[in-house]
Amino acid sequence: DAGITQSPRYKITETGRQVTLMCHQTWSHSYMFWYRQDLGHGLRLIYYSAAADITDKGEVPDGYVVSRSKTENFPLTLESATRSQTSVYFCASRKGQGRLEQYFGPGTRLTVT
Amino acid sequence: DAKTTQPTSMDCAEGRAANLPCNHSTISGNEYVYWYRQIHSQGPQYIIHGLKNNETNEMASLIITEDRKSSTLILPHATLRDTAVYYCIVRTGANNLFFGTGTRLTVIP
Repeated sequence: DAGITQSPRYKITETGRQVTLMCHQTWSHSYMFWYRQDLGHGLRLIYYSAAADITDKGEVPDGYVVSRSKTENFPLTLESATRSQTSVYFCASRKGQGRLEQYFGPGTRLTVT
Repeated sequence: DAKTTQPTSMDCAEGRAANLPCNHSTISGNEYVYWYRQIHSQGPQYIIHGLKNNETNEMASLIITEDRKSSTLILPHATLRDTAVYYCIVRTGANNLFFGTGTRLTVIP
């Protein structure tokens, strides 16, 4: 049971480059989420998706793009990376159907130089 | 959405119960109380949630006061593996969760 996986686990990129973080879940959960975690800010929601082709903004969506063409995948793209986007990114999923708990992936540590 | 207040850090002796408090005095009637934890360098892990009644599962118990202005997460027999940051979150629904800075629990041998 693979659960929820993220790739890459570590990424270094340069300012202005486009980078995509991948998230894949094997549970067929309806909901998927992207968070970022920075020192002093805890985790903050970037975007979430209630189903394929349905996405919505969270607390800090600026500078990020998401898509969800398949239920199991929820990629996060930084179209033009900035140093302020250096962070640890976590993907999560939730079953829906009245289940409230979210399950998190292992995280991607992104450094923008 | 209601704001939560948690102590910055706590210690607990191994084998003892760990009682983690959370104040949410501005909670509204339809807001749930969630608890998650994050062990160093890992993704957060769901522990438990409740609305009005006390709840218990295989990991912990959640005690919510009658006026719902505060709650306590209880780990009945803390182990070294319970050392983590514990987040108390109050939110309507289950999607737009906001994780603050939480309580750093250290279980001491």
